[in-house]
Amino acid sequence: NAGVMQNPRHLVRRRGQEARLRCSPMKGHSHVYWYRQLPEEGLKFMVYLQKENIIDESGMPKERFSAEFPKEGPSILRIQQVVRGDSAAYFCASSPPSGRGEQYFGPGTRLTVT
Amino acid sequence: AQSVTQPDIHITVSEGASLELRCNYSYGATPYLFWYVQSPGQGLQLLLKYFSGDTLVQGIKGFEAEFKRSQSSFNLRKPSVHWSDAAEYFCAVGGYADSGAGSYQLTFGKGTKLSVIP
Repeated sequence: NAGVMQNPRHLVRRRGQEARLRCSPMKGHSHVYWYRQLPEEGLKFMVYLQKENIIDESGMPKERFSAEFPKEGPSILRIQQVVRGDSAAYFCASSPPSGRGEQYFGPGTRLTVT
Repeated sequence: AQSVTQPDIHITVSEGASLELRCNYSYGATPYLFWYVQSPGQGLQLLLKYFSGDTLVQGIKGFEAEFKRSQSSFNLRKPSVHWSDAAEYFCAVGGYADSGAGSYQLTFGKGTKLSVIP
């Protein structure tokens, strides 16, 4: 009974490169949330997706960040032209169709921008 | 806007002692409340949740939490702490986002780091 899968677990990018973070939700879950954890700031909501739809992106930075959850395959969080301030842990969570906020988290991807 | 306050940044207790971690929330309606635990370098594990009904909820690993609407609190408790409980604990509130998008995004407190003395 696999939980939420995220890969890679660690990602190092130079400034200006692109970062792609992947998330496979738990079996039977159709809702995916992305959060970012910055030192001293805690976890912040970024985006909420269902299959093929972005439902709420109110927490996403306006530029360079995008997310998708295609009909087939994992959800992708994409960061273009990374900067040092993007260094953080990015967590994906999934929830069952009832979607009342009961979210199960993956192990996270730790992004380091050099 | 919803918010969560965890007033204690760091707590140290002796193994076998009781534990209470404080959490206060701000939310316009009946909230959905959660406690998560995070070990270093790991993801978050759901300890327990409150949606409605009995205000005292039981979770995994011997934890419990009590919802007190009058105090806007959802404190986490454990009667006897084990060394393996050393971790960071996050309280979170969820509900329809103010954006009206139907999103059950979670708003987290900044966490309480628990250290356990053998």
